[in-house]
Amino acid sequence: QQPVQSPQAVILREGEDAVINCSSSKALYSVHWYRQKHGEAPVFLMILLKGGEQKGHEKISASFNEKKQQSSLYLTASQLSYSGTYFCGTFTGNQFYFGTGTSLTVIP
Amino acid sequence: NAGVMQNPRHLVRRRGQEARLRCSPMKGHSHVYWYRQLPEEGLKFMVYLQKENIIDESGMPKERFSAEFPKEGPSILRIQQVVRGDSAAYFCASSTKHQASTDTQYFGPGTRLTVL
Repeated sequence: QQPVQSPQAVILREGEDAVINCSSSKALYSVHWYRQKHGEAPVFLMILLKGGEQKGHEKISASFNEKKQQSSLYLTASQLSYSGTYFCGTFTGNQFYFGTGTSLTVIP
Repeated sequence: NAGVMQNPRHLVRRRGQEARLRCSPMKGHSHVYWYRQLPEEGLKFMVYLQKENIIDESGMPKERFSAEFPKEGPSILRIQQVVRGDSAAYFCASSTKHQASTDTQYFGPGTRLTVL
């Protein structure tokens, strides 16, 4: 039931773009995205509630394809502060399942 | 507006002792979730509570672990007779209301439990 993310890890240079994918074997009714820096709590980025919905937050945006049970997170012109582990997540009933995680490292 | 608060931030226990982890949700939030994160792994759902009610504890081990969210005071995750495998970061998150799929959770800073 845990969503699967790809890639597992990615290294970028400042200014480069990245895409993180999240897919589920079960129907997705919403997708949540979080970023967690080492030793810190996860920080909420955005939630997508409808199939086809796209959202943006500065240079971080996401899309949700309900039919394919997939979501993608897009990071453009990456900054050093984007480094961390990105998790997608979704509710199944009362339980929230985090994805497998993607470690993103931005280097100068 | 204070965020989600957890204490202690670090807790060291010897095997067989009890650990009590506290979580104060954000003001106005009446729903609390607890998660466990083992080193270098993702977060795993443990339990979901509302005030005075356990809604879903299916992610919590049936033995030694319990959780409560009293009418007054913080939510408490209690681990009895701790073992080394309980060493992990425990995060709580709170939200304003629970509607299927739409809850936005805000996380506390976590409690790092180390069992010697």
